[in-house]
Amino acid sequence: GAVVSQHPSRVICKSGTSVKIECRSLDFQATTMFWYRQFPKQSLMLMATSNEGSKATYEQGVEKDKFLINHASLTLSTLTVTSAHPEDSSFYICSAADGNSEAFFGQGTRLTVV
Amino acid sequence: DAKTTQPTSMDCAEGRAANLPCNHSTISGNEYVYWYRQIHSQGPQYIIHGLKNNETNEMASLIITEDRKSSTLILPHATLRDTAVYYCIVIAGAGSYQLTFGKGTKLSVIP
Repeated sequence: GAVVSQHPSRVICKSGTSVKIECRSLDFQATTMFWYRQFPKQSLMLMATSNEGSKATYEQGVEKDKFLINHASLTLSTLTVTSAHPEDSSFYICSAADGNSEAFFGQGTRLTVV
Repeated sequence: DAKTTQPTSMDCAEGRAANLPCNHSTISGNEYVYWYRQIHSQGPQYIIHGLKNNETNEMASLIITEDRKSSTLILPHATLRDTAVYYCIVIAGAGSYQLTFGKGTKLSVIP
């Protein structure tokens, strides 16, 4: 199946700093990518839909100025957590579609804000 | 998208078949049943999907009832590596990639 790669797999940052997470579709072009967040022992929650060449669409309750999404090419979307705080510590996961019938997920990024 | 109901957890002996049920009684005619699984601290992995007919691939089989109100994912010979949370998701059209995850079923494969 298609491959979606996330980087980094885990990151620790200080409170108040910003962290960028990359999501790449390695062997296909993805006009749309999705960003999810997962807190411990909970399910994945959709944060936003990333559209190549246009603004992302955010789910209710997700601050667009805090979680900056850029989808500048058909193979790369980035999520920047700005002014991170301990409550932003979570598992962030992206997904992308290859135009067929299923979405493929990255391996996830474990963010810890200290 | 239709809501799904799955048992919270299940155990299965290694080497035996694991049968994971899912209820989706409000499913519409154009909605597909998708199954994903998530192994601890990894991203979800696609398993299989179907509309009306039973489906089989190298990972699993999907049995959908005639009225489409429920389905069962079958892992024919469960291994320890199949221990994961399994999500049954109903979405409109095979091409809608925005997935809404419920709580899923935590499958524990026991040696």
